[in-house]
Amino acid sequence: QSALTQPASVSGSPGQSITISCTGTSSDVGGYTYVSWYQQHPGKAPKVMIYDVSKRPSGVSNRFSGSKSGNTASLTISGLQAEDEADYYCASYTSSSTWVFGGGTKVTVL
Amino acid sequence: QVQLVQSGAEVETPGASVKVSCKASGYTFTTFYMHWVRQAPGQGLEWMGMISPSGDRTNYAQRFQGRVTMTRDTSTSTAYMELSSLRFEDTAVYYCARRLEDGYNFGHWGQGTLVTVSS
Repeated sequence: QSALTQPASVSGSPGQSITISCTGTSSDVGGYTYVSWYQQHPGKAPKVMIYDVSKRPSGVSNRFSGSKSGNTASLTISGLQAEDEADYYCASYTSSSTWVFGGGTKVTVL
Repeated sequence: QVQLVQSGAEVETPGASVKVSCKASGYTFTTFYMHWVRQAPGQGLEWMGMISPSGDRTNYAQRFQGRVTMTRDTSTSTAYMELSSLRFEDTAVYYCARRLEDGYNFGHWGQGTLVTVSS
């Protein structure tokens, strides 16, 4: 199972919106609504920001939103803030009853 | 509240095995799958496998098949991940994780266990 494809880095100025893509295949992202997104700050465990494509856990800011079209899922961060600077990973359930992560995207707030 | 507390850092030599534990509290242990995810230094997250709530079923990522064994002890609410035939490239932080109350995700994470493979 190959890792999902994410851009290595995305940047934006405070207040702007950015979108991170996550491309898989019909055997993972395209085949299920079980795509989730994780934020990870250096030295910390990941934190789920979006699950089941577009659901937001309790306590996560509504500036984070998720969507999916075909084999590509997306995470949008609106009103970018300094605290959003982190690594972001997507994950998807697969047809082999396994899970696969994306390679990760470093978000920089300019 | 849900807590997953992992065992401490380990240093192993190539070819050895390591067993990492993950003690769960704050919920009914036999209700949720437990997953294991690792992260090599400076690298991304890698899903290793999962074990069913009762411990009778496991599913491992293909690249770990034959080297990893996941078990759980319901009497102590502890999950275990054992990796054998260690290689230098197995140096990583190993996390246990389970989903939130709903949905398909990794909503709760252990603090991570650093395993260093060094000669």
